[in-house]
Parts: sequence; structure tokens; C-alpha cells
Amino acid sequence: DAKTTQPPSMDCAEGRAANLPCNHSTISGNEYVYWYRQIHSQGPQYIIHGLKNNETNEMASLIITEDRKSSTLILPHATLRDTAVYYCIVRPDLGAGGTSYGKLTFGQGTILTVHP
Amino acid sequence: DTGVSQNPRHKITKRGQNVTFRCDPISEHNRLYWYRQTLGQGPEFLTYFQNEAQLEKSRLLSDRFSAERPKGSFSTLEIQRTEQGDSAMYLCASSLAGLGPREQYFGPGTRLTVT
Repeated sequence: DAKTTQPPSMDCAEGRAANLPCNHSTISGNEYVYWYRQIHSQGPQYIIHGLKNNETNEMASLIITEDRKSSTLILPHATLRDTAVYYCIVRPDLGAGGTSYGKLTFGQGTILTVHP
Repeated sequence: DTGVSQNPRHKITKRGQNVTFRCDPISEHNRLYWYRQTLGQGPEFLTYFQNEAQLEKSRLLSDRFSAERPKGSFSTLEIQRTEQGDSAMYLCASSLAGLGPREQYFGPGTRLTVT
């Protein structure tokens, strides 16, 4: 699986947009970009995923560059409850063959702190 | 609540004892994963089941670890002869089977402390 690079920490003011970057320069054509977050002492929570196009759901937006070598997770109006560790993960399509069974490979993530 | 559940939530044991954790996935999910997370690190994959078949095991899963999913529903993870290095959060996740992207839903975890 491709490796990802994220800043170790970021701050954001409550009510403002939080933009979390992720580099995945070795991503291959069949690999999706996933974002999960982990609030203290809880299990990781799925946020969003994408392949090529930008994606939006009720939690966040995902912007993937045209060359797919980097992406940005956007929380449009951050709240104090968004304080968490955010993980960017690259994973092959489960239909890609081989022995990919969909396991997630987590890095260190970005600690996002939302301030009042 | 129809999410992934794990029991117990916390377990304190003495070195050398055996422990067993249980995971109940979301009912229609065929895929089940176990991960381990130590302090300050992201979760690390341990093993994967599709229905009752254990299809992948990490090298992290030493001989002292065994996982089962006997009827393709709940799963258990047993650690024999626990060591202090086994202290960690053990996380279970489940997802739907089939092709294409499949997000995983995680349980709250079981925190193991080996004294």
C-alpha cells in the first residue's frame, strides 16, 4: 500500500474551516484515499473516501489533486468535538486481486486541536 | 445501538495469565478485522476474517495469540501467557463484503493492562 505523510499537529479556531493535508505521492491507480478520525479513547471513525473526484458528505469534503499525489480533508465549520487524531490512509480497491483483504494501514495521523 | 460492540471494555491482568476478548460486528457484515493500538501510535492490523475463515494474519500475531470466528458472527481474540508488552487497546472492526471500497466500522476497543 502507498505510504502517506501528514503533519503531526494542527490548530483551528472553532467555527472556521479545518484543512488537513495528506501527501501520497506513490499512490497507484487502483488505490483509494480514506480518512478516519479517532477521538480520545474511542475507536476510529470513518469520515470519507475518494478515488479521483472530489467528494462531500455530511461530515467533510475531500479534495484530491489531479495527479492524485495529495489530498486535503476539509471540515467546513470545525467544532470543539472535532478535536481528534485524523488519519489519511491509502488502500487498494478490494476488487484489485491479489491478497488485499482491505486491512487499513494507519500512520501517525494529524492531531487536530480546535480552540474556542 | 447496532454498531460494533466489544467486551470487556477494560481488562487488567497479571503477567502470565490468559485473557479473551469478544467482538460483535454489525450483523450483516461478513468481514471482521482485529487491530492493536499502543499509546501514541495508530492502530496496527492483526488479523482478518471473512465469515468464519481467517484469511490473513499479521506477523505481529505471535503464537500466543489466537482468534476465532466460529459461526461467522462474533469473534474472540485470546492471548495466552500475557506479557507486559501486550498492554494495548485491542480494536475490532467490521465491513460489508464484496468488491469496491468498503469502509470499516470500529468498536470502542478493549484496553488491556498487563501488570
